[in-house]
Amino acid sequence: QVQLQESGPGLVKPSETLSLTCTVSGDSFSSHYWSWIRQPAGKGLEWIGRIYTSGSTNYNPSLKGRVTMSVDTSKNQFSLKLSSVTAADTAVYYCASSLSGGAHPYFDYWGQGTLVTVSS
Amino acid sequence: SYELTQPPSVSVSPGQTASITCSGDKLGDKYTSWYQQKPGQSPLLVIYQDSMRPSGIPERFSGSNSGNTATLTISGTQTWDEADYYCQAWGSSTAVFGGGTKLTVL
Repeated sequence: QVQLQESGPGLVKPSETLSLTCTVSGDSFSSHYWSWIRQPAGKGLEWIGRIYTSGSTNYNPSLKGRVTMSVDTSKNQFSLKLSSVTAADTAVYYCASSLSGGAHPYFDYWGQGTLVTVSS
Repeated sequence: SYELTQPPSVSVSPGQTASITCSGDKLGDKYTSWYQQKPGQSPLLVIYQDSMRPSGIPERFSGSNSGNTATLTISGTQTWDEADYYCQAWGSSTAVFGGGTKLTVL
């Protein structure tokens, strides 16, 4: 079992950088992929990207280089930065784990989600 | 970029079988996962690697994947199965979700 908890500002101004952290507890943090996924109100899920505990990353090309993820294995945390935000980035942001599946991962545990609103 | 297409809505009567499809180019060559999301809740994995059920997911949830279509089947649908369902697959190290299907049980 693993528990994930998102944290960070709920309000970000347009053109600024959104920063979120996910804290993981309850299971081994190392040697797994950790992802960020978002969901605008009333809409579907969008994968933002993932980071392996070694630091290697994959990002959604649709976010055009605005995404940076990092990991802190000493704190069992991984983080998301999304730059140059606009109102279109307003969404519930989830962190999720891929503990199993090997070369064919899936999202087995999810955080409760945190709403981030982009507004001046 | 890779795309997955789901019907926006599916309706089923309690006790009947619901089938939700997910279409994508050569989807049968990839593994598909399915997630259930109820209002105000985080998504819940109900099927992984096409047809595997995580611990705690009822046997009435099953999945298949062949050709260009993956299917989530809910046998003996219960009223509490009413939710949004999302399929997901990987394309070029990028996770892709379908647009979601609202399952109505009435």
